[in-house]
Amino acid sequence: ETGVTQTPRHLVMGMTNKKSLKCEQHLGHNAMYWYKQSAKKPLELMFVYNFKEQTENNSVPSRFSPECPNSSHLFLHLHTLQPEDSALYLCASSQGNGGSEQYFGPGTRLTVT
Amino acid sequence: GENVEQHPSTLSVQEGDSAVIKCTYSDSASNYFPWYKQELGKGPQLIIDIRSNVGEKKDQRIAVTLNKTAKHFSLHITETQPEDSAVYFCAASRGSYDKVIFGPGTSLSVIP
Repeated sequence: ETGVTQTPRHLVMGMTNKKSLKCEQHLGHNAMYWYKQSAKKPLELMFVYNFKEQTENNSVPSRFSPECPNSSHLFLHLHTLQPEDSALYLCASSQGNGGSEQYFGPGTRLTVT
Repeated sequence: GENVEQHPSTLSVQEGDSAVIKCTYSDSASNYFPWYKQELGKGPQLIIDIRSNVGEKKDQRIAVTLNKTAKHFSLHITETQPEDSAVYFCAASRGSYDKVIFGPGTSLSVIP
């Protein structure tokens, strides 16, 4: 148990569906992150939030929409995804942005059909 | 931007032997180098990290070395055990308030 939880753990959705991924951290951290992990590729940073403000958007398509209502919660809203978006989506948190340990959740395994 | 390369992509060792994973980075301003271990069905977990003001750090069976001049760093695991089997990621960052860039990962298998 890392102190970072993600729901759901598995999600299958069609290309026309709208769904949301949820992340919650119980560590009192100030920064939260979304990563995409595809087979045989490096972890891809998608978004960074620092004190609820988005500080990084790594050229992510608009069909992925993040939301950070407070320092403990992070959402990733999904709509009109493509099959190539199928991957493991990992949430992480840390005390500060970079330069400190990131604590990862277990991830959401997303399959787009 | 920063680019982190990692070798080998897969590594098999006999239980009790040592394992070495090597990484290179491109941004000379990077000064924080963490290593993460990812077990099946779990997210990555930090196992050791090193900052640019030291050349080596050790924690029980795990050690990391850093050569800033050559821009490479390595993870050394001694007396490997089956529970060391996992995917290992190196990463680099400029430190506070800068993103962490991960390498592509090394899948380590320890054969009993």
